[in-house]
Amino acid sequence: AQSVAQPEDQVNVAEGNPLTVKCTYSVSGNPYLFWYVQYPNRGLQFLLKYITGDNLVKGSYGFEAEFNKSQTSFHLKKPSALVSDSALYFCAVRDMAPGGFKTIFGAGTRLFVKA
Amino acid sequence: EPEITQTPSHQVTQMGQEVILRCVPISNHLYFYWYRQILGQKVEFLVSFYNNEISEKSEIFDDQFSVERPDGSNFTLKIRSTKLEDSAMYFCASSIQGISEKLFFGSGTQLSVL
Repeated sequence: AQSVAQPEDQVNVAEGNPLTVKCTYSVSGNPYLFWYVQYPNRGLQFLLKYITGDNLVKGSYGFEAEFNKSQTSFHLKKPSALVSDSALYFCAVRDMAPGGFKTIFGAGTRLFVKA
Repeated sequence: EPEITQTPSHQVTQMGQEVILRCVPISNHLYFYWYRQILGQKVEFLVSFYNNEISEKSEIFDDQFSVERPDGSNFTLKIRSTKLEDSAMYFCASSIQGISEKLFFGSGTQLSVL
């Protein structure tokens, strides 16, 4: 079964510093991986995805993620954090089982960026 | 960016009552989903819907749950007899196509079962 794990419940970073939000995955076959962000009282918003190709994927709001097949990781990164980046971040994998249609989400990591 | 509309934003109901949560997906999308989130934590898959039928459902989606797209625009989730543990934020989502496409989410309906 496909799954993703986000080992950190919370990440704290100072504004201007680089941030990393970690994600590891477990899939059979090639993974379709996503990052979503959720701001308070809002639905999830797509940030970026990895399907195939370049291991470094660039997304919205200056975020990027690095796909690492040997480490089965897909960490979200940003070179310089903003206070407005404070939100809940979800790593996700698309279920590739025959007849599978769902996206499976990790437990989420809360990012706090301090001014 | 196109948006999904969900109504109501909040729904309070008594245990055992029926509720219907409504969603208007993005017009050219073909795949529709319901997810729920309890206490702002893990996002759980409930059901996917394609070509006017359920394509996949989770263990949570038991006989008390049903979905339909009655008029080609609205997409509804019905809970026939609500339980306390059904209290959650319910999100409608849709995608243009299937597995490689991102999901668009609505802002959710907060369901409180008393």
